[in-house]
Amino acid sequence: GAGVSQSPRYKVAKRGQDVALRCDPISGHVSLFWYQQALGQGPEFLTYFQNEAQLDKSGLPSDRFFAERPEGSVSTLKIQRTQQEDSAVYLCASSSNSGASYGYTFGSGTRLTVV
Amino acid sequence: RKEVEQDPGPFNVPEGATVAFNCTYSNSASQSFFWYRQDCRKEPKLLMSVYSSGNEDGRFTAQLNRASQYISLLIRDSKLSDSATYLCVVTRGKLIFGQGTELSVKP
Repeated sequence: GAGVSQSPRYKVAKRGQDVALRCDPISGHVSLFWYQQALGQGPEFLTYFQNEAQLDKSGLPSDRFFAERPEGSVSTLKIQRTQQEDSAVYLCASSSNSGASYGYTFGSGTRLTVV
Repeated sequence: RKEVEQDPGPFNVPEGATVAFNCTYSNSASQSFFWYRQDCRKEPKLLMSVYSSGNEDGRFTAQLNRASQYISLLIRDSKLSDSATYLCVVTRGKLIFGQGTELSVKP
């Protein structure tokens, strides 16, 4: 597709449930980033992939968060045993450059609500 | 303390006003600098890059002062369509965002 596609657009999870969020980057984009944006805050970095390699996962808030990009294209962010503080918008961005400063395209995000 | 700090908002201004946004960053190793715009319930989108020499794009002017680690954005003759949240961004291998400043332009 022409842009970064994220699914689902909205997700309501009961506390303790596992969720999986999908990101379909722009075809051929090497770099893929996940961000978490809480209400009224700026996006916070979670993790970065260059192709299939996860080069930086320093922003993942706990070991309940796991991300993968096994074939260097689609990525999945998984959150186990969701907590209310996980409620946020999860944004995915991709870029054609490695270690990019420029050329990021963001998806529309997945809005996760944990009840 | 966050690595990128912005003015707390919101800013409520009349159409035609000039608005200034301020931002400071704490890590001198930051490489590149940007302003992003985020409309309500939408994804962030690049507004403009920021350089030490200053740069202008129509009604928008951005400036970087590396010595004081300060970034600014000036919007002249503000329009209703400028209403959004403005995010200050630095990069060190990834985008690092400030918390954003909301702007509301009223008729």
